[in-house]
Amino acid sequence: ELKVEQNPLFLSMQEGKNYTIYCNYSTTSDRLYWYRQDPGKSLESLFVLLSNGAVKQEGRLMASLDTKARLSTLHITAAVHDLSATYFCAVGSNTGNQFYFGTGTSLTVIP
Amino acid sequence: ETGVTQSPTHLIKTRGQQVTLRCSSQSGHNTVSWYQQALGQGPQFIFQYYREEENGRGNFPPRFSGLQFPNYSSELNVNALELDDSALYLCASSLGPATGELFFGEGSRLTVL
Repeated sequence: ELKVEQNPLFLSMQEGKNYTIYCNYSTTSDRLYWYRQDPGKSLESLFVLLSNGAVKQEGRLMASLDTKARLSTLHITAAVHDLSATYFCAVGSNTGNQFYFGTGTSLTVIP
Repeated sequence: ETGVTQSPTHLIKTRGQQVTLRCSSQSGHNTVSWYQQALGQGPQFIFQYYREEENGRGNFPPRFSGLQFPNYSSELNVNALELDDSALYLCASSLGPATGELFFGEGSRLTVL
């Protein structure tokens, strides 16, 4: 079974600072997704990464994928309070019909 | 364009009871997947439905079952509820069974007492 690990699990950072969340997975896949979840809410799609070397940016968030290293990163630039949420990475199975989610990174941005 | 809708949003059941959760897929999407998210955990795949048939199943017992209807909406049924079934149940729709991005509904929060 494909395993997905995220670190850190909890992240408290000051506004204006930069940080990176890491997502490692155990078997080959070229489909990696990042989601955001606010407390008590559903999952909001942030990024879809479908090839080695893919990089996508939206506002203060940038995601990248290295399929050879089985690693994706979510980089936060100049954090603001509105980014406080839990972030999940998810890896698509080779059969295509299942996503494997990481345990999530709970991000708190402190003024 | 209508997004994924789920009902009910919250419900409370007791051990041994049965529950049915409902999901309407996003317009144009023919595939529905169900996930269970326990508190503080990432979502776990229960199963997927495509063309009204189960198209893949995660590590869940047979008392978790589902249906998909001709209009692509879906139901998740759980029999003989256990305390550990307490979770947020998320429905997600997609353009096809292996076509990538999932679009999630707001979820149904089930509490089993």
